[in-house]
Amino acid sequence: EVRLVESGGDLVQPGGSLRLSCAASGFTFSNHWLSWVRQVPGKGLEWVADLNEGGTEKYYVDSVRGRFTISRDNAENSLYLHMNSLSAEDTALYFCARHVPRARAVDVWGPGTLVTVSS
Amino acid sequence: EILMTQSPATLSVSPGERVTLSCRASQSFTRDLAWYQQKPGQAPRLLIYDTSTRATGIPARFSGSGSGTEFTLTINSLQSEDFALYYCQQGDHWPWTFGQGTKVELK
Repeated sequence: EVRLVESGGDLVQPGGSLRLSCAASGFTFSNHWLSWVRQVPGKGLEWVADLNEGGTEKYYVDSVRGRFTISRDNAENSLYLHMNSLSAEDTALYFCARHVPRARAVDVWGPGTLVTVSS
Repeated sequence: EILMTQSPATLSVSPGERVTLSCRASQSFTRDLAWYQQKPGQAPRLLIYDTSTRATGIPARFSGSGSGTEFTLTINSLQSEDFALYYCQQGDHWPWTFGQGTKVELK
C-alpha cells in the first residue's frame, strides 16, 4: 500500500522552531518529487514547498522562504520540513504529498500533522 | 503568483444531476491544471490532472476540460458520495496555487 504519514506537529510559541517528518512506504521514494501543503482548519489549501527527487531543486511559497527548509533522506524514505521563526500565521494542518510522475499535481497525501503557533 | 478563482462558492444539487464547476486563472497556461476532492476530516484526493486526465481509480463520471484561463470539472450523474469540497490547482508556475474551493451540497 502506498502511504505517507506525517509527524512532528506540536504547539510552539511564536518565534520558535519545529521539524516535521513524513515517512513514506509502498513506492520507490527516490523516484518522486514531493511537496508540503498546509491548510488552516476550515480554510483552503496553500502550497508550501516542493523538492525534486535528488533533493537539489527546491521551491517555496514567498511567505515561508528564508524561514522553512524542505529536505529529504532517500535512504530513509523520509521527507522533512524545518520551520523557523514561526508565527500565528503558520498555524495549520501540514500535509506531505507525492507528485504524479511527469505531471504537476499530487496523487498521494498523508493525513496531516497539526502545527499550532501560540503563546 | 497565479491567482485561481473558483465559481460558484456553493452548488446545491440533487443526486443524479450533472454538475459543472468552474476555475479561472489570472494568467493563461496550457494544461497543468488539477482538481481535488476533499471531505471533512480527510486529506484531498486527486481527481484530474493535466486538465483532463483522470487519476487512478477515479470514476468516469468525473471529467475535466479547458485551456488558457478557463477550466471546468464536470460530474455526470452526481452520486451521494460526491458531496464534498472541490479545489482546482495550477502547476504551471511556482508557487503552485489553489482556488478557494467549491462546495457541492445536497439541495
